[in-house]
Amino acid sequence: GQNIDQPTEMTATEGAIVQINCTYQTSGFNGLFWYQQHAGEAPTFLSYNVLDGLEEKGRFSSFLSRSKGYSYLLLKELQMKDSASYLCAVNLQGGKLIFGQGTELSVKP
Amino acid sequence: DTGVSQDPRHKITKRGQNVTFRCDPISEHNRLYWYRQTLGQGPEFLTYFQNEAQLEKSRLLSDRFSAERPKGSFSTLEIQRTEQGDSAMYLCASSPGDSYEQYFGPGTRLTVT
Repeated sequence: GQNIDQPTEMTATEGAIVQINCTYQTSGFNGLFWYQQHAGEAPTFLSYNVLDGLEEKGRFSSFLSRSKGYSYLLLKELQMKDSASYLCAVNLQGGKLIFGQGTELSVKP
Repeated sequence: DTGVSQDPRHKITKRGQNVTFRCDPISEHNRLYWYRQTLGQGPEFLTYFQNEAQLEKSRLLSDRFSAERPKGSFSTLEIQRTEQGDSAMYLCASSPGDSYEQYFGPGTRLTVT
C-alpha cells in the first residue's frame, strides 16, 4: 500500500519560520514533490527532490532523506499570503503522484 | 502558452445523469493525468495518458468512469449514472515526462444532488 503522512494543520506568525514534515511508505519512489494550494484553486509547484539533501529556492527549502522516508518543507520570512494547504506527493512509476492529505497552514499577524 | 484549461469549471447534476469533463493540456506535454480531490484531502490519482495511450487506471475508478485522449491532445473524463459520492473537484494535470513537475488546471467542481 501507499501511505503518506503530514500534519493536518499548523499555525505560525508572520515573519517566522515554519517546517512542515512529511513521511512516506510507498511501493516505488522516483522523487518527492511539494505543492501549494490556496482554497478553491489548483495546486502549484514548489519543489522537487530526487536525491537526499536540501534544495533551496528563495524563501522555500525542501529536504529529503530517502533512507528514512522523510521530507520537510521549510518556509522562511512567512507572509500572510503563505496561508494555504501544502501538499506532499510521492512520484511513482509513470509519473503518477500519490498525495498526502495536505497541511493547512495559517499565518497570523 | 496559456496553461492547462478545464471545462466546465462547475457542474451541478442530478443523481443518475451522465457528465463529461474536458481537459486541454499544455500543447507540448505528452503526459496527461486526472485526479479527484474532496474537501480537506489531497488529490487522488485516477488515470493517466502518454499521448493517446491510457497507461494506468486506479482501482478507485469504477466501471462508471471512462477517460479518453483520442488524438493525444485534449482529454475527456465521463462519469455515467452519477452518484452523490462522485461530488468532488476533478483536476487535470500535464507534464512533458514522468520526472517533471505536473501543471494543474483549475479543476471542474462536480456537485451531484
